[in-house]
Amino acid sequence: AAGVIQSPRHLIKEKRETATLKCYPIPRHDTVYWYQQGPGQDPQFLISFYEKMQSDKGSIPDRFSAQQFSDYHSELNMSSLELGDSALYFCASSFNRDFEQYFGPGTRLTVT
Amino acid sequence: GEDVEQSLFLSVREGDSSVINCTYTDSSSTYLYWYKQEPGAGLQLLTYIFSNMDMKQDQRLTVLLNKKDKHLSLRIADTQTGDSAIYFCAETIYSSASKIIFGSGTRLSIRP
Repeated sequence: AAGVIQSPRHLIKEKRETATLKCYPIPRHDTVYWYQQGPGQDPQFLISFYEKMQSDKGSIPDRFSAQQFSDYHSELNMSSLELGDSALYFCASSFNRDFEQYFGPGTRLTVT
Repeated sequence: GEDVEQSLFLSVREGDSSVINCTYTDSSSTYLYWYKQEPGAGLQLLTYIFSNMDMKQDQRLTVLLNKKDKHLSLRIADTQTGDSAIYFCAETIYSSASKIIFGSGTRLSIRP
């Protein structure tokens, strides 16, 4: 069965650079969630989209923005990167904001 | 408020049962989950339980929910070396568009 696809899987950036993370949900899923997991920490909700509109917002820094496109894929844009942004970024998808969220493998971002 | 708490470590002997405990504070939690994360890997949904249920069994996994005490447990029968991972307890509140709140995770290690 198709799963959530995230790209890239690994990304290394320097401080003050920008990064774009992509998420391709499971086919027919219309809801996308972004989570950030720092080293040794639990995943923290950042933002979610339903039918291309932002549906909920968590602890997402103002330096980050995200959107969901007409094909339901989503991109997380991160600017002015800081060392503390180094983390594993997960995308999850569901159908119609259903409670069953399926997680992608994550993108590991390292900021040096 | 939203808070999910778990003990950080659990060590069990191979073949024994593992019981991982979790407490949550939000009485409006609708769904409660257990996710498994192996080192460097993504989040795998193991099982979930609706807040109006007391117990759910799925092969080697048994979830018990005590709504009065806001206590959730995951029992893994016949624990195997492949069960070594971090187990996250999590909750969602449907009115919040299903964003998931994770606990800090319990690292399960298996002794021979």
